[in-house]
Amino acid sequence: QQQVKQSPQSLIVQKGGISIINCAYENTAFDYFPWYQQFPGKGPALLIAIRPDVSEKKEGRFTISFNKSAKQFSLHIMDSQPGDSATYFCAGSPGTGSYQLTFGKGTKLSVIP
Amino acid sequence: ETGVTQSPTHLIKTRGQQVTLRCSSQSGHNTVSWYQQALGQGPQFIFQYYREEENGRGNFPPRFSGLQFPNYSSELNVNALELDDSALYLCASSRTGDGYTFGSGTRLTVV
Repeated sequence: QQQVKQSPQSLIVQKGGISIINCAYENTAFDYFPWYQQFPGKGPALLIAIRPDVSEKKEGRFTISFNKSAKQFSLHIMDSQPGDSATYFCAGSPGTGSYQLTFGKGTKLSVIP
Repeated sequence: ETGVTQSPTHLIKTRGQQVTLRCSSQSGHNTVSWYQQALGQGPQFIFQYYREEENGRGNFPPRFSGLQFPNYSSELNVNALELDDSALYLCASSRTGDGYTFGSGTRLTVV
C-alpha cells in the first residue's frame, strides 16, 4: 500500500521558472512532512519540512503548502536554477527523530538554461 | 560536526551470500534507521534502532537484521542474498525531536 503518492514523476522547467511538485498522503497519523533533495550518488538531504498546524512554510526559494483537509502538500521552487536539478522526495512521518519516514516515489526535476 | 558515514560505498555479492554494511551516526544522534532504495524509487524503511534496541521494522523479512553499538554506530546484515536485494542502502541518524540526516549510501549489487 503506497501511503504517499507523488506527482509528477518528472518535470522540466526553464531557468527562472517555478517548479511545483505535489504529494498526497493516506495515513492520518502523519504529523511531520519533510521534503528531501537527492543528487546522483548521494543520499537524500533534508530541504524543508512542515507540520500540519501551519498551512505554509517558506525558506528562501522553497515553499511548502499544506492542505490538511485534503491530505495534500506541495513543494514550490521559485526562480528555479540549473543547480536545483535533482530528484525530490516528499515523505510523511508520525513525528520527528524516532519515527520512520514513508517516502513518495520521487520527482526528477531538470532545470534547463 | 561530522555527518553520517557509510561503508563500503559499493559492493558486489553473489546470490546466496551474506553481507554486512556499516554506518557511523552523526555526532550526538542516538537513533539510527536503515532504508533500501531501489533504482528509480523512494527509500523504503527497513528498521530503526534506539539505544541498541530495534524499535521499529518495515516490511522486510528476518534475513535483514541489524545492530546498534554503544557509540551509536550501526550494522545492517543481509543473509541469503537475492537478486532483488540489489539497491542503494541508506543509513540515517537523528536525535529525538530532530529530522534525519542521511549518509550517501552503499550501492549493493547481487549477481
